[in-house]
Amino acid sequence: EPEVTQTPSHQVTQMGQEVILRCVPISNHLYFYWYRQILGQKVEFLVSFYNNEISEKSEIFDDQFSVERPDGSNFTLKIRSTKLEDSAMYFCASNGDRQETQYFGPGTRLLVL
Amino acid sequence: KNEVEQSPQNLTAQEGEFITINCSYSVGISALHWLQQHPGGGIVSLFMLSSGKKKHGRLIATINIQEKHSSLHITASHPRDSAVYICAALTPRQLTFGSGTQLTVLP
Repeated sequence: EPEVTQTPSHQVTQMGQEVILRCVPISNHLYFYWYRQILGQKVEFLVSFYNNEISEKSEIFDDQFSVERPDGSNFTLKIRSTKLEDSAMYFCASNGDRQETQYFGPGTRLLVL
Repeated sequence: KNEVEQSPQNLTAQEGEFITINCSYSVGISALHWLQQHPGGGIVSLFMLSSGKKKHGRLIATINIQEKHSSLHITASHPRDSAVYICAALTPRQLTFGSGTQLTVLP
């Protein structure tokens, strides 16, 4: 069964460094999403992406964040200058239509020191 | 802004018991997701429903659009059902998540 994959599974970085989290959505899906979950808290929506542009973003998704679909398979989340409070699990998800079930990747656990 | 509330926060049951987890939301939605999060953090989608009821194995999800309420039921619970169960409400443009229900099923 096709699945969403994410790399790396864990990332440790120093405050102020740039990180890029990578996702490979399911191949025929058109809508892509990033979510984050700070330890012990709710999952929070960050951004949705369709047709090579952002379709919706939350208040969390400020100028430090950017997303890109650099080729036909990858979907990346970049954090330009990480802060301690960016430490969280980041989930990518995809679906073929906005009204369909979203399929989640296994997550990248980011720790900012 | 959509608020999604789940109850209970924690639930411990004996193997074989019937379990109900509740979810309520504050604004109109186009669909509601029920998700399962395992101890390692991975999230699996269980159901997406916009009306009525859906069943998959021992899991049943219902939704009442007028009352803005959904329930997830697990029949004949088993220790392998132990996980966090999360409801998430889909407004036209984003998912808003509840804080989850930690379910522990004891043998």
